[in-house]
Amino acid sequence: GAVVSQHPSRVICKSGTSVKIECRSLDFQATTMFWYRQFPKQSLMLMATSNEGSKATYEQGVEKDKFLINHASLTLSTLTVTSAHPEDSSFYICSARDQERGTDTQYFGPGTRLTVL
Amino acid sequence: GDSVTQMEGPVTLSEEAFLTINCTYTATGYPSLFWYVQYPGEGLQLLLKATKADDKGSNKGFEATYRKETTSFHLEKGSVQVSDSAVYFCALSSLNAGNNRKLIWGLGTSLAVNP
Repeated sequence: GAVVSQHPSRVICKSGTSVKIECRSLDFQATTMFWYRQFPKQSLMLMATSNEGSKATYEQGVEKDKFLINHASLTLSTLTVTSAHPEDSSFYICSARDQERGTDTQYFGPGTRLTVL
Repeated sequence: GDSVTQMEGPVTLSEEAFLTINCTYTATGYPSLFWYVQYPGEGLQLLLKATKADDKGSNKGFEATYRKETTSFHLEKGSVQVSDSAVYFCALSSLNAGNNRKLIWGLGTSLAVNP
C-alpha cells in the first residue's frame, strides 16, 4: 500500500516551454502533497505544500508564478514549470501524506528528471 | 528554525560491518523523526520512524532511537549487506507557514558496502 506515482519519469524540453509533472497517490487519498527538488549533492529542497482544493503554500524563495501547483483531486497534484530555463533542470520529487493513517509519514514518488536545453 | 544535521559521507564499509550514521536535530516542540533511504535509481522510501522521545524505530535490521536529551536519532545496523548500499536521509517533521506538517531534511549520507 501507499504507492505514489509520477509522470513522466524523464522529460527533455527546449528553453521557454512549459512542462507539467503529475503526481498520483494510487491506493490512498492524499489531501496534502509535497513537491521537492533534489540537487546533485543530494539535498532535498521543499518547494511547496499542495492542499486539495486550496492554494499551495510555497517555501521562501520559490517563485509561485514559475512553479504552478494544482491539487484538484484527492489523488492528483500537478507541478507545471512555466517558461523553463536550463537552471530549472533538476530532479523533481513529489510525496503524499496518507491522511487516513493520521501520521506524519510521507510516501514518495520515483521522481522526474527534467532537462531543459 | 528547525534543522537536521547528518554526518557527511560517503561511508564505505565491508559486508557484515557495523553501521552508524549520526543525525542530530534542532526543533521547537516535539517533532517526529524519520530515516528515509534512496536506493540507486529508485525513489525515496521510508525506512523507519519514531514519534516521541525514547521510541525506537526499526526495520530491515536498522534501528534508531529518539533521544530528546541529546537531540539525536542515530541510525544503526549490526551487520550491513551489499544490498544496503544507498543514500540515507534523516528528517524531522515541522510546521510550515500554512500550518501544514512538512519534513526538514538532512543532506543525506551515501553508504557503499563492499563484498
